[in-house]
Amino acid sequence: DIQMTQSPSSLSASVGDRVTITCRASQSITGYLNWYQQKPGKAPKLLIYAASGLQSGVPSRFSGSGSGTDFTLTISSLQPEDFATYYCQQSHSRPFTFGPGTKVDV
Amino acid sequence: QLQLQESGPGLVKPSETLSLTCTVSGGSISSSSYYWGWIRQPPGKGLEWIGNIYYSGNTYYNPSLKSRVTISVDTSKNQFSLKLNSVTAADTAVYYCARTSGDRYHFDYWGQGTLVTVSS
Repeated sequence: DIQMTQSPSSLSASVGDRVTITCRASQSITGYLNWYQQKPGKAPKLLIYAASGLQSGVPSRFSGSGSGTDFTLTISSLQPEDFATYYCQQSHSRPFTFGPGTKVDV
Repeated sequence: QLQLQESGPGLVKPSETLSLTCTVSGGSISSSSYYWGWIRQPPGKGLEWIGNIYYSGNTYYNPSLKSRVTISVDTSKNQFSLKLNSVTAADTAVYYCARTSGDRYHFDYWGQGTLVTVSS
C-alpha cells in the first residue's frame, strides 16, 4: 500500500493568513493526488483533484501543486469558513489511501 | 444535482453482518464515467477506502477488508450496497458512499454518512 503523510498535523492561523499544507507519498504517485476538506459532522468535500485541478464551485483561494511524491495545498487568504480538517488522498494505486489529516484552527 | 444517501441499521451486534445501501438520485448509476464506492471513518480518526464497484458489477476491494466485504449494484433501483461480515467493535465508524471519477479516481460526490455502531 502507498502510505500518505501530512504536515503539520495541526496548525493555528488567523483570517487572512496564507496557509500551506504538505502531503507526501511513500512512492511516486505522479499527479494522482486529491485534497478534501472536512468539517465536524460533515462528509469530506473535494477541493482539488489530480494535484492541481480546482473542483467546480471551490473558491480560487484554494490551490494545489506537486508531482511524484511531494504535494502542497495552499489557501491564499484564510476565511472563517476554512477552519476544518484537510486530507490528501492518492488515487494512483488501489487500495486508495488517505493522509492522516491536518486540522486548521484559530 | 447528484445526491447520495446511505441507509441501514445504526447498530449491529458483534460477529453479525453490517448492511448498508446507497441510493443515488439526480444521475444514473449506469454512467460509464464513474465508479461507486464506500469509505469509512472511525470516530475521531481518519478515512479508509473500503472498495468500489462499476455499474457492470466489477468490484475492487481494500485488501485489508477483502475477506469480509461484498459490494453490489442494482442499476434498476439506482442503488449500490455494502455488506461487511463478522464485524467487531473496530468496524464502528461513519460509513460514506461516494461517486468516484473513472479517470482520476477522486471522490467528487459524497453521501452525508451514517454511523454504524458495533455493540451487543
